[in-house]
Amino acid sequence: DTGVSQDPRHKITKRGQNVTFRCDPISEHNRLYWYRQTLGQGPEFLTYFQNEAQLEKSRLLSDRFSAERPKGSFSTLEIQRTEQGDSAMYLCASSLDEGEAFFGQGTRLTVV
Amino acid sequence: DAKTTQPTSMDCAEGRAANLPCNHSTISGNEYVYWYRQIHSQGPQYIIHGLKNNETNEMASLIITEDRKSSTLILPHATLRDTAVYYCIVRVATGTASKLTFGTGTRLQVTL
Repeated sequence: DTGVSQDPRHKITKRGQNVTFRCDPISEHNRLYWYRQTLGQGPEFLTYFQNEAQLEKSRLLSDRFSAERPKGSFSTLEIQRTEQGDSAMYLCASSLDEGEAFFGQGTRLTVV
Repeated sequence: DAKTTQPTSMDCAEGRAANLPCNHSTISGNEYVYWYRQIHSQGPQYIIHGLKNNETNEMASLIITEDRKSSTLILPHATLRDTAVYYCIVRVATGTASKLTFGTGTRLQVTL
């Protein structure tokens, strides 16, 4: 499968714990995006990378959230000191320049 | 990016055409109309996009009015697998981060 891959698909964590998600984009895609989606809502933009550079961050991305794309390939999204309000689906997408974005299956986070 | 307005939900009989409307009355001249869909528990899937001409691909057709203030996505022969939330998005396709601003979309239910 050469699509966008996200790991894990599901994560249950206790409040206050740290979690890290991984996204592997389509190999030739230079742009990578993270979105968050809560129940009944459309995905909301979190942050965007062009190659290894993080070029835009949403106000939704509090200081407990950090994203990296160290070598311009895979990306990680870390949430520190998780809160129940962080429970959501975290979606990763990639694109070649301004072409259409292809999404992964997402990581569903449940904070208990 | 311009805001869009879509009906909350629609029903369509299997085998019939599904016509999903979208209003984007404040669209700018350099903004494209994009359609994505999201099947339950999956990431959004790109369907089609256009600027001002009508477009067709293997999945759907996109009809954009001459004044570009509205558009219609047409699934010519809907099947049960087309049951999903359909998002109409307008965005500038060049010189930006290409992020997508999702609304709440139209929930299309295809029935027997």
